[in-house]
Amino acid sequence: DTAVSQTPKYLVTQMGNDKSIKCEQNLGHDTMYWYKQDSKKFLKIMFSYNNKELIINETVPNRFSPKSPDKAHLNLHINSLELGDSAVYFCASSQGGDSPLHFGNGTRLTVT
Amino acid sequence: GQQVMQIPQYQHVQEGEDFTTYCNSSTTLSNIQWYKQRPGGHPVFLIQLVKSGEVKKQKRLTFQFGEAKKNSSLHITATQTTDVGTYFCAGRGGGSNYKLTFGKGTLLTVNP
Repeated sequence: DTAVSQTPKYLVTQMGNDKSIKCEQNLGHDTMYWYKQDSKKFLKIMFSYNNKELIINETVPNRFSPKSPDKAHLNLHINSLELGDSAVYFCASSQGGDSPLHFGNGTRLTVT
Repeated sequence: GQQVMQIPQYQHVQEGEDFTTYCNSSTTLSNIQWYKQRPGGHPVFLIQLVKSGEVKKQKRLTFQFGEAKKNSSLHITATQTTDVGTYFCAGRGGGSNYKLTFGKGTLLTVNP
């Protein structure tokens, strides 16, 4: 069973569209994250939720809106997509504190 | 803010040669984690170092945490083709800066 699963794996869309990426973890972790990995492989945190509450919100355009319906799910909705949004988006979870991150397989978003 | 610098950005070796990647933080870290990302894959946790001067080994991999807890290294002895991937360090700050900050990674390629 996949511990952290995100869908879709690939997402190709046009500029201006709205899209969502879903993430679910079955590890019983309290903390979930969204990371963006650009073409140079730089991993940058976007958001972090602990038990459904937002605890980290980096400098991310407000076109990006995370939603956590419960502590096992953290979805990412993106409005008015731009070319610069093209990247691989990783969901991750951890037990919190110093615990390591468990990453999903990533969603490769391509905006044309 | 906290910065984690990682060098080199790329390293190409012949199979059997050793490899080292270095990580330096602008601030003292409470701990440091190392991850490996295979091409096309997602980051996978390798190890966490917490104590000043700590050294940990995993088979051919040796991880060190500096005495001042501001730098770390990963050394691979006698590389194999299975070692190919990007190695990331991720440092966690202390006090109010408890965020995990990733280095930009070192891409290792191994020529058989």
